[in-house]
Amino acid sequence: DAGVTQSPTHLIKTRGQQVTLRCSPKSGHDTVSWYQQALGQGPQFIFQYYEEEERQRGNFPDRFSGHQFPNYSSELNVNALLLGDSALYLCASSLLGRSNYGYTFGSGTRLTVV
Amino acid sequence: AQSVTQPDIHITVSEGASLELRCNYSYGATPYLFWYVQSPGQGLQLLLKYFSGDTLVQGIKGFEAEFKRSQSSFNLRKPSVHWSDAAEYFCAVAPYAGNNRKLIWGLGTSLAVNP
Repeated sequence: DAGVTQSPTHLIKTRGQQVTLRCSPKSGHDTVSWYQQALGQGPQFIFQYYEEEERQRGNFPDRFSGHQFPNYSSELNVNALLLGDSALYLCASSLLGRSNYGYTFGSGTRLTVV
Repeated sequence: AQSVTQPDIHITVSEGASLELRCNYSYGATPYLFWYVQSPGQGLQLLLKYFSGDTLVQGIKGFEAEFKRSQSSFNLRKPSVHWSDAAEYFCAVAPYAGNNRKLIWGLGTSLAVNP
């Protein structure tokens, strides 16, 4: 049973560019959450998608947007990249109907903005 | 606002020694509490969680945690540390009951294990 798959694993972008990160949830899961983890910090919640809609959003600017597809996979898009966007981006999947916070995390995408 | 504090940024213990990692939370109601471990290049793995009931929670890899409401704490313990336990440990709180909403995380404690 595959867990959460994120791609790419590493990415280097230039300031001002746009980036798309991808996440395939664990089989059987229908909800995808995205977190940003800066170096030496804990993860910060970006947003959560369920039924192709943004269900909850953290304190991130509109430059951060997302999408969920009918197969439950998800994308995180960041526009006008800033140096401060350099971080590990984690995707977590879960099953909404089970209110047990049974998150499965991917290994993340390491984004470096230069 | 809800917050999680992990007072120890870095801890070093000898293999076989006992371990306690501290976590304090700020939250009005009884929160859902979690401990996760993150090894280099790996995602976050759930060690244990507390929702209600018995305040001593057993987790995977021999870890346990105790919820103390009076101290707003949820400390992680292990009686005998193994070299493979070296990793980053995060305490997290869910501010909403149920429905798998967002988690609020501490800054983490980096654990080093001396042979």
